[in-house]
Amino acid sequence: KAGVTQTPRYLIKTRGQQVTLSCSPISGHRSVSWYQQTPGQGLQFLFEYFSETQRNKGNFPGRFSGRQFSNSRSEMNVSTLELGDSALYLCASSPDTGELFFGEGSRLTVL
Amino acid sequence: AQSVSQHNHHVILSEAASLELGCNYSYGGTVNLFWYVQYPGQHLQLLLKYFSGDPLVKGIKGFEAEFIKSKFSFNLRKPSVQWSDTAEYFCAEDTGRRALTFGSGTRLQVQP
Repeated sequence: KAGVTQTPRYLIKTRGQQVTLSCSPISGHRSVSWYQQTPGQGLQFLFEYFSETQRNKGNFPGRFSGRQFSNSRSEMNVSTLELGDSALYLCASSPDTGELFFGEGSRLTVL
Repeated sequence: AQSVSQHNHHVILSEAASLELGCNYSYGGTVNLFWYVQYPGQHLQLLLKYFSGDPLVKGIKGFEAEFIKSKFSFNLRKPSVQWSDTAEYFCAEDTGRRALTFGSGTRLQVQP
């Protein structure tokens, strides 16, 4: 069974730009969640989607948004990038049993 | 707000030593608890989980953890570590919101 696939793996943007990250969950998993990992703040929950509906959202500004498609694939978008948005963005899928299966992440650098 | 505390930030052990990593969570209600591991250059992997039932849970690679509700603790243990256990270990809780709250992580370095 293929794991969680995230694209792109690495990207560099400049302040003020926007970025879209993509996540393909494990086949059969309908829940997809996103986390931000930074050295200073650690792993922080961004949002969780199930059957195209956002069920939960973390404490991040409105510049961070996401969506889920009918095939369970998900995207997250960050607009008006700031230097502090540099991080590893992790996607995780779940068969809705509570345990998460993580992808390798998309490493975003904002210059 | 929920919080998870991992008191050991960096642990250095020799091979064959016993391991115990501390984890304390704050939520007083029903909670699901997890330990994840991140090997160098790899993605987060689930080591073990506690949902309910037997408070002593066994995971992969010889790891186990004990849920002690009265102490709000979920410590990770392994009787004898190997060099290949060098990694960062994260404790996490889910209070039913399907949003994990992670601890700050413990970096384990096992010396051969």
